[in-house]
Amino acid sequence: QKEVEQDPGPLSVPEGAIVSLNCTYSNSAFQYFMWYRQYSRKGPELLMYTYSSGNKEDGRFTAQVDKSSKYISLFIRDSQPSDSATYLCAMTRLGFQKLVFGTGTRLLVSP
Amino acid sequence: GAGVSQTPSNKVTEKGKYVELRCDPISGHTALYWYRQSLGQGPEFLIYFQGTGAADDSGLPNDRFFAVRPEGSVSTLKIQRTERGDSAVYLCASSQGGTGGLETQYFGPGTRLLVL
Repeated sequence: QKEVEQDPGPLSVPEGAIVSLNCTYSNSAFQYFMWYRQYSRKGPELLMYTYSSGNKEDGRFTAQVDKSSKYISLFIRDSQPSDSATYLCAMTRLGFQKLVFGTGTRLLVSP
Repeated sequence: GAGVSQTPSNKVTEKGKYVELRCDPISGHTALYWYRQSLGQGPEFLIYFQGTGAADDSGLPNDRFFAVRPEGSVSTLKIQRTERGDSAVYLCASSQGGTGGLETQYFGPGTRLLVL
């Protein structure tokens, strides 16, 4: 079993929809939780990160962490065709820089 | 450009050959990372440098893989006796380094390695 599980999709939504992306994990030592966006043939780009449990909002994006359930989410409001990409969750332990990634969820937003 | 650069962008080799992949980090970044991303998978950690030394090489799959960063800037990932299973995108990232907390890792576009 992988340390981080993520549905690979693809997830297809119409423009303007609210998108929910999720990951589960098994290592309770993870303290930092990140969401990366990766366009085709590009490297991952950090969208946002959260330390421990709680919510964080940045524009149209909201990240949630529920450590008791070992479950993290990324919500995208008013989705745009330009949001079409693969979204990777990643996490790491306090004091570590090694990131453990999920498989990524491919998101397709149609006009 | 100010980002992480990787060369070559694509590499095709034959099984059993030796390859070198190069990474130029963002100027001033002391931390450098290598990850491997297989098709349909997320990046998998290989090795992390702080300065010239490998701070964590726990992700290197076997002794065919080796990485160096002799002057604390450019890094080279070396793969000996390549196997078809080594085919993947090799990603390099860099971060500021030495902050003591979580550091944002900035990724390059990757080198696509195909072993025939």
